[in-house]
Amino acid sequence: AQSVTQPDIHITVSEGASLELRCNYSYGATPYLFWYVQSPGQGLQLLLKYFSGDTLVQGIKGFEAEFKRSQSSFNLRKPSVHWSDAAEYFCAVGLYGGATNKLIFGTGTLLAVQP
Amino acid sequence: NAGVMQNPRHLVRRRGQEARLRCSPMKGHSHVYWYRQLPEEGLKFMVYLQKENIIDESGMPKERFSAEFPKEGPSILRIQQVVRGDSAAYFCASSPGQGLSTGELFFGEGSRLTVL
Repeated sequence: AQSVTQPDIHITVSEGASLELRCNYSYGATPYLFWYVQSPGQGLQLLLKYFSGDTLVQGIKGFEAEFKRSQSSFNLRKPSVHWSDAAEYFCAVGLYGGATNKLIFGTGTLLAVQP
Repeated sequence: NAGVMQNPRHLVRRRGQEARLRCSPMKGHSHVYWYRQLPEEGLKFMVYLQKENIIDESGMPKERFSAEFPKEGPSILRIQQVVRGDSAAYFCASSPGQGLSTGELFFGEGSRLTVL
């Protein structure tokens, strides 16, 4: 069955430090992958997506993610974290075909940023 | 260009009452999705609808939950005879079409249901 695993429930980084959030997926075909961010009390905002092509994708707010088929991973990175990046981050895989059109989400990683 | 609008943002119900959550998709979007977020969990897919049609309800509980997306008006997620375990944030998302070309979902800010 298709699934997404985010092994880190909480991560704390210092402002200005680099960040990497891990995401592993289980999917039989070429995956369509997403990262969303959720600020407290808010909905989800798309950071970036991978459908095909270049395995390093750039997103908004200085984020990027790299698709590694051999590792079934799609880790999110940012070279220098800002305090405003504190939020919860969700990785998702898209399932399409026939009547199916949905995202399967991981359980999320809550990011705290220390001054 | 308004985003996905959900109301109410917060809803409190006593056990046994009914909860109705509304979702107006973004302008031009004809596909609506409902997700539920329980504390400490990610978002779980519930149902996918197009106008007047339920396309995929594989994530809907078998009882007490229903959804509709009428020809006119918002999509409604209805929970009958609520129980404490229904307390969660319910998110609606919309997209202009189906599949790869329109893979991104646009999310509302959610409706937070508390069952006393």
